[in-house]
Parts: sequence; structure tokens; C-alpha cells
Amino acid sequence: DGGITQSPKYLFRKEGQNVTLSCEQNLNHDAMYWYRQDPGQGLRLIYYSQIVNDFQKGDIAEGYSVSREKKESFPLTVTSAQKNPTAFYLCASSIALLAGELFFGEGSRLTVL
Amino acid sequence: AQSVTQLGSHVSVSEGALVLLRCNYSSSVPPYLFWYVQYPNQGLQLLLKYTSAATLVKGINGFEAEFKKSETSFHLTKPSAHMSDAAEYFCAVSVEAAGNKLTFGGGTRVLVKP
Repeated sequence: DGGITQSPKYLFRKEGQNVTLSCEQNLNHDAMYWYRQDPGQGLRLIYYSQIVNDFQKGDIAEGYSVSREKKESFPLTVTSAQKNPTAFYLCASSIALLAGELFFGEGSRLTVL
Repeated sequence: AQSVTQLGSHVSVSEGALVLLRCNYSSSVPPYLFWYVQYPNQGLQLLLKYTSAATLVKGINGFEAEFKKSETSFHLTKPSAHMSDAAEYFCAVSVEAAGNKLTFGGGTRVLVKP
């Protein structure tokens, strides 16, 4: 079955550590996205990518980094510079950039201890 | 810039009763509008979308929404709630002028009482 796989589902880290969240898709979609979800705030866009080796900052990119070396993969690194990293992170993809209809993974919940 | 406001962060309905979730948008150009559903600890799934065709849009699981330009609204309804409808629902808007970037509302969590 085609879809988006995020791992790990749950992750704990100590303050000052970087952590990388994995996102893989087999939908052959060109565009991929990372969102952050906090209670009552909806989803906020962190980074997005239209094609391999190209990505753009979203609304809340500070303290995060991404790479897009393969069409299928779009990992997100939460760096120690992110002031409040505890959140639910969602990866998504779409046929074309910002086409509106997004397909989501099941999310990764990051907790900073 | 476009924006979305969902009225009510929590809604409680009885099983079999009408489900009504309110969404108002702000946009200076014709928008595309979406409703997504999120079950606990999962990603979002598209329920339905409005893309300037029919103003009454039917989606999955018996949900529908009506686009009302005069009221800048896109409320989501389901005639009869089922226990499986308990989830969080997000309204979202995009416009071509902004590169079709999706802007999400804050979400409405639905509780279904037996």
C-alpha cells in the first residue's frame, strides 16, 4: 500500500541534543512538508520541498533543518536551538507543490525531558 | 493573507444527533477550502474539499459542507453522529495568489456521547 511512513512514533530527548525524525513516502509525490502541531494551534508549516535538493522555510523554521536528497525521503532535524521542541510532528506529501490536498503520515511525538 | 477561524475548540454531541462544526475564512480572492479529520495519535485525513465547483460538497463518512460566500463560511455537518466520529476536525484554506499554501484553523475536538 502507498503511503507515508514516519519514525519513530515516540521520541524522548534531553535538552541540548539534536534529534532527527524520518519521513518516507512511496506515493511518487513531488512535494513534501513538515508541520508542527500544538494543542489549540492547528498545524504550522516548518519546511517544505518541491523537488530533490530544494526546500523552503515555512512559517516556523527557526531551530529546524531538513534535507531532500531523494524524492522519497524528507528527514527533519530538531536542533538544540529550537526553544520549545516538545510537540507532535507531521510529515505530508502532495502531487504538486502546495496543491492543497495533502497526504499525512501518522506523526512523531517528541518530548524533551 | 488568508486565515481560518473555527468556532468552538470542543463540541459534544449525542449519538444520532446532528454534528455541526463551524468554519469561517478570510480571503481577498476566491479560496479553496478543506476539512480534515484527525483521530488520536494519527495524521490528518481529507474529508472533503471545495474548489469552486458545486457549493455543497459531499465527503467521506457521511459528512458534507456548504460554501457560503456571503457569510465567508464553510461549515461541516453530518445528520447523525456515530461514536466513530469522535476525533479532531480541521478547516483549512488556500488561495492561488499565495501559491496554494494551506492555512489551518485551530481545530475542533468532537466528543460523541452514547
